[in-house]
Amino acid sequence: GENVEQHPSTLSVQEGDSAVIKCTYSDSASNYFPWYKQELGKGPQLIIDIRSNVGEKKDQRIAVTLNKTAKHFSLHITETQPEDSAVYFCAASPPVFNKFYFGSGTKLNVKP
Amino acid sequence: DVKVTQSSRYLVKRTGEKVFLECVQDMDHENMFWYRQDPGLGLRLIYFSYDVKMKEKGDIPEGYSVSREKKERFSLILESASTNQTSMYLCASSLAPGTGATGELFFGEGSRLTVL
Repeated sequence: GENVEQHPSTLSVQEGDSAVIKCTYSDSASNYFPWYKQELGKGPQLIIDIRSNVGEKKDQRIAVTLNKTAKHFSLHITETQPEDSAVYFCAASPPVFNKFYFGSGTKLNVKP
Repeated sequence: DVKVTQSSRYLVKRTGEKVFLECVQDMDHENMFWYRQDPGLGLRLIYFSYDVKMKEKGDIPEGYSVSREKKERFSLILESASTNQTSMYLCASSLAPGTGATGELFFGEGSRLTVL
């Protein structure tokens, strides 16, 4: 089955700096790669996703890049703010959407 | 807004007890999932269901069973709780592929279970 590895496990940045979280996956059949943000006491919420026919996608301060050849994808957050502090999960999914394989999570702390 | 509601936020049970975790979604989603979240392990799929009365094992089904008698409700059952089932349990739902689905999972807020 699919194996998703996520790094780093914790990340501390100063407000205004950029943050990058990286994930690798093993199954070349995976073609959908979402990123979820989990705030304290809440369930994860989708913040951005990318499909395998696209190399990069951006939504305001958040961007995701995908390298299919190397089987890795990354989340980039620019101009970080304290409200970006949360746990972030990457995931990989085959085309059918019925199985998502999640990374182990990254706890991002943005210091004011 | 899609709402996924998990009836119990916090539960404390004793070893050997039968435990029911209930999840209800209000957006007519076909797919429903139960995940377990543990520090350093991410989210691991226990069971999922793509239709009423249908269920499929995920990656860690041992010690769990599920029930989906109605489209909006998906229950996770621990027949005989053990201490290694102490965890956060997350329910999620999504649209089936081919129905305009984007693949997005909608999660509940979680049920934190402690087994003593």
